[in-house]
Amino acid sequence: DVVLTQSPLSLPVTLGQPASISCKSSQSLVHSDGNTYFYWFHQRPGQSPRRLIYRVSNRDSGVPDRFSGSGSGTDFTLKISRVEAEDVGVYYCMQGTHWPPWTFGQGTKVEIK
Amino acid sequence: EAQLVESGGGLVKPGGSLRLSCVASGFTFSDAWMTWVRLPPGKGLEWVARIRSKDVGGTLEYAAPVEGRFTISRDDSRKIVYLQMSNLQIEDTAMYYCTAHAYWGPGTLVTVSS
Repeated sequence: DVVLTQSPLSLPVTLGQPASISCKSSQSLVHSDGNTYFYWFHQRPGQSPRRLIYRVSNRDSGVPDRFSGSGSGTDFTLKISRVEAEDVGVYYCMQGTHWPPWTFGQGTKVEIK
Repeated sequence: EAQLVESGGGLVKPGGSLRLSCVASGFTFSDAWMTWVRLPPGKGLEWVARIRSKDVGGTLEYAAPVEGRFTISRDDSRKIVYLQMSNLQIEDTAMYYCTAHAYWGPGTLVTVSS
């Protein structure tokens, strides 16, 4: 199975400052069809996960433009340009290129300093 | 607006069974590949099972820890996806989410304890 390794696992952030989360895959996530099935999810405390980014860099409907995804192959990054209070929670990367199974990263807990 | 609502969770003893249901609305359910994902306490998200749409064969896929114990199924006429869970173990304790990838339900809690 593909292993996704996120860093850091804990990220204290200052309101209004940028934040960045890395996700590294144990193998390339480029599918034979040319697409890269890599996603980012955000889970606030007590809520269900919400997909933020699909196929590396596409924001889902309603996701603020302060969120951006980038990367290729085995290395991916989620950036928040200016952290807001509602951004706290756990962020997960996920791959759907090599399935089954979907695999998730361990999660990165973002909290306000 | 797309919506998913799970039900059927609860407290069960080891070795017991539960059937989870997930009712969908607001999108073309019959075209959707439906998935169950769980969040064990203190851990991260885990993929559990997926059922593809019937137009591509309705294939069933399971995570290794649940294969042979869990069964996923769907009723397109009622827009429901099920997860039949049997021989439940302590480590199956988790919040179970139904998802159509972009859409997620609020989850239903399964607790396995003696």
